[in-house]
Amino acid sequence: EPEVTQTPSHQVTQMGQEVILRCVPISNHLYFYWYRQILGQKVEFLVSFYNNEISEKSEIFDDQFSVERPDGSNFTLKIRSTKLEDSAMYFCASSESSSRETQYFGPGTRLLVL
Amino acid sequence: RKEVEQDPGPFNVPEGATVAFNCTYSNSASQSFFWYRQDCRKEPKLLMSVYSSGNEDGRFTAQLNRASQYISLLIRDSKLSDSATYLCVVASPGGSYIPTFGRGTSLIVHP
Repeated sequence: EPEVTQTPSHQVTQMGQEVILRCVPISNHLYFYWYRQILGQKVEFLVSFYNNEISEKSEIFDDQFSVERPDGSNFTLKIRSTKLEDSAMYFCASSESSSRETQYFGPGTRLLVL
Repeated sequence: RKEVEQDPGPFNVPEGATVAFNCTYSNSASQSFFWYRQDCRKEPKLLMSVYSSGNEDGRFTAQLNRASQYISLLIRDSKLSDSATYLCVVASPGGSYIPTFGRGTSLIVHP
């Protein structure tokens, strides 16, 4: 069964450093998403991406965040200057046609900012 | 503020019990509704979509009440493996339907 993969599974970084989280969505999917989940809290939508551009973003997705699809398979989330409060699990998801359809989540990257 | 509210639980039930979760949402323009399951420190996985007419998948039944803006999930004949957190997800129209997650309801099924 096809699945969304994410690397790395864990990342520890110093405050102020840049991190890039990587995702490989399911190959025939057209919509891609990033979510975060702070420990003990709810899953929060960050951004959706379609046709090589951002289609929606939340208030959380400020100027320190960016997304990119650098090639035909990878979908990345960059955090330019990490803060302590960026520590969370970051989930990538993809869906075949739109966010009205089932989204398939990757296993997540646990980011710890020290 | 647009929110999705769930009773956090935990619901602690014996095997074989029937358990029901409710979820309320505040955005009346919401169009799509889902229940996801999340195991500890794992990714959310779709359990079922929720349709206006209600729908059933084996031991799981989902209902939608648009007038009262709530969604329910009924689990019959609970199994130990049903222990997880159940997330209510509501998608509202933006350019591509932005999903809002509830905080989840924790279910513990014991022998």
